Amino acid sequence: QVQLVQSGAEVKKPGASVKVSCKASGYTFTSYGISWVRQAPGQGLEWMGWISAYNGNTNYAQKLQGRVTMTTDTSTSTAYMELRSLRSDDTAVYYCARGDYGDYGPGDYWGQGTLVTVSS
Amino acid sequence: SYELTQPPSVSVSPGQTARITCSGDALPKKYAYWYQQKSGQAPVLVIYEDSKRPSGIPERFSGSSSGTMATLTISGAQVEDEADYYCYSTDSSGVFGGGTKLTVL
Repeated sequence: QVQLVQSGAEVKKPGASVKVSCKASGYTFTSYGISWVRQAPGQGLEWMGWISAYNGNTNYAQKLQGRVTMTTDTSTSTAYMELRSLRSDDTAVYYCARGDYGDYGPGDYWGQGTLVTVSS
Repeated sequence: SYELTQPPSVSVSPGQTARITCSGDALPKKYAYWYQQKSGQAPVLVIYEDSKRPSGIPERFSGSSSGTMATLTISGAQVEDEADYYCYSTDSSGVFGGGTKLTVL
């Protein structure tokens, strides 16, 4: 069965970086892209970007350009999302999701979410 | 930047039809997707490419799109459908609507 398992919760100080992993299993990793979505406490969903696991092409939200990098490691079927220069408003649950249907969006399968807390 | 606009809340009684709208200038050219999120859980895709239903999603969920508006319809809403619903689409990048809280009581 398809599974996306994310790394554990993180606490970071303002200005630091965080790297969240998303390990895929149950399907051919390079056949689908991975979308990243975050949700601040009590707020709505925010699309962060998408990466092709086939060739590494990316599409990032304009708001995060320059601070976010998405990568994949096909040898371990793992996707990564690194966010730099963290601010308090980056505190959120971060989700990875398989891109099943194109349009850079999340599809049927989601990770469990990773809480990133940015606090001094 | 591109925006999708949803009503903040919709309320229906059990068994009634709930309609949640999503407006965006690029919707005539781009697909809409709909996600359901219950409290404390990851989102679930309920409609993709305007009107298609993923496997396992009940038939009471349907989607349509006309012009600059996409609509999620829940026919015969049930108490367990109470959740936040988000539309998603793209321009050059992806964007979610602000979300609609559906109350069924």
